[in-house]
Amino acid sequence: DAKTTQPNSMESNEEEPVHLPCNHSTISGTDYIHWYRQLPSQGPEYVIHGLTSNVNNRMASLAIAEDRKSSTLILHRATLRDAAVYYCIPGGTASKLTFGTGTRLQVTL
Amino acid sequence: DTGVSQNPRHKITKRGQNVTFRCDPISEHNRLYWYRQTLGQGPEFLTYFQNEAQLEKSRLLSDRFSAERPKGSFSTLEIQRTEQGDSAMYLCASSQLGQLEAFFGQGTRLTVV
Repeated sequence: DAKTTQPNSMESNEEEPVHLPCNHSTISGTDYIHWYRQLPSQGPEYVIHGLTSNVNNRMASLAIAEDRKSSTLILHRATLRDAAVYYCIPGGTASKLTFGTGTRLQVTL
Repeated sequence: DTGVSQNPRHKITKRGQNVTFRCDPISEHNRLYWYRQTLGQGPEFLTYFQNEAQLEKSRLLSDRFSAERPKGSFSTLEIQRTEQGDSAMYLCASSQLGQLEAFFGQGTRLTVV
């Protein structure tokens, strides 16, 4: 499994964009980059995934570096409900997700 | 569909007792996974099923742990002779074969006293 490095924590003000970085320099050529988040007292929740191109969905955008060794999850306007632990997970299909310790995002008014 | 359902949500047991947790996946999902999460850590993979076949087991799954998925529908995770180190959140997830998105339940929090 590819090793990932994420900041332990980040803070954002509400209504501002948030960029959550992830380094995955040992990612294999066929691995997708998955992002999940876990709200307090909840199970993890899928956010987005990508392979090579940048991706957008209703929750977030994913920017993938050209060499695929890093990616950035972008929340365009953070809300209090976005406060969670965000996990970056390189891997294949969802047969086995290898979670790290993630980034704890705090959102303040 | 109400998503992945796990029961019970909380379980307190005495050391040495056996416990069993249940997971009901999203109905059309043929893959089912179990994870364990301790405080401050990300979830750790335990095992997964494709339909009724258990295809992979982590080394974390000691011989005191057993998981089943009869008929490829719901799954149970049993822990025999519980130890204090088994205290954790046990998470179940399901997905459709070929889909990249896994759906998680809210977990069963086990406390061994």
